[in-house]
Amino acid sequence: DAKTTQPTSMDCAEGRAANLPCNHSTISGNEYVYWYRQIHSQGPQYIIHGLKNNETNEMASLIITEDRKSSTLILPHATLRDTAVYYCIVRVARSQGNLIFGKGTKLSVKP
Amino acid sequence: NAGVMQNPRHLVRRRGQEARLRCSPMKGHSHVYWYRQLPEEGLKFMVYLQKENIIDESGMPKERFSAEFPKEGPSILRIQQVVRGDSAAYFCASSPPGQGANTQYFGPGTRLTVL
Repeated sequence: DAKTTQPTSMDCAEGRAANLPCNHSTISGNEYVYWYRQIHSQGPQYIIHGLKNNETNEMASLIITEDRKSSTLILPHATLRDTAVYYCIVRVARSQGNLIFGKGTKLSVKP
Repeated sequence: NAGVMQNPRHLVRRRGQEARLRCSPMKGHSHVYWYRQLPEEGLKFMVYLQKENIIDESGMPKERFSAEFPKEGPSILRIQQVVRGDSAAYFCASSPPGQGANTQYFGPGTRLTVL
């Protein structure tokens, strides 16, 4: 699975959009981009995934660049409860293998 | 549809005792994964199982650790003769069968403390 690079930490004001970047320059054509988050002391929570088209669900939007070498997770109206470590993971499509978690981005939403 | 369930949520053991951690996957899911998170560290894969089969145990310590996912009942992660270094949060995830994106969904974890 391709390696990802994320900033160590980010701050965001409550109510504003949080834009979390991820670089995955070695991504292969059959690899999905997944995002998970881990709120302190809880299990990782699935957020969204995509292959090449932008995706949106009730939690977030995922914007993938045309060359697929990077992506951005957007939380449109961040709340204090969105404070968490966010993980960008690249994984082969139809793979049943394990997820490889890096260090992620620590997002702090401030009032 | 209930999510992934793990029990106990907290487990305290003395050195040398055995720890048994249980994971019930989401309904309809036939793939189970165990991950470990040491204090202040990231999640590390341990083992991947399907019903009655271990598919990948490359992340599991060679000694004292074992896992099973029987035909009936939950998946069990068993740690024999626990040591202080086994203190960690253990998370289970499950995914459905088939050839889709196979998203993994995680349980709330079991926090093991070894005294």
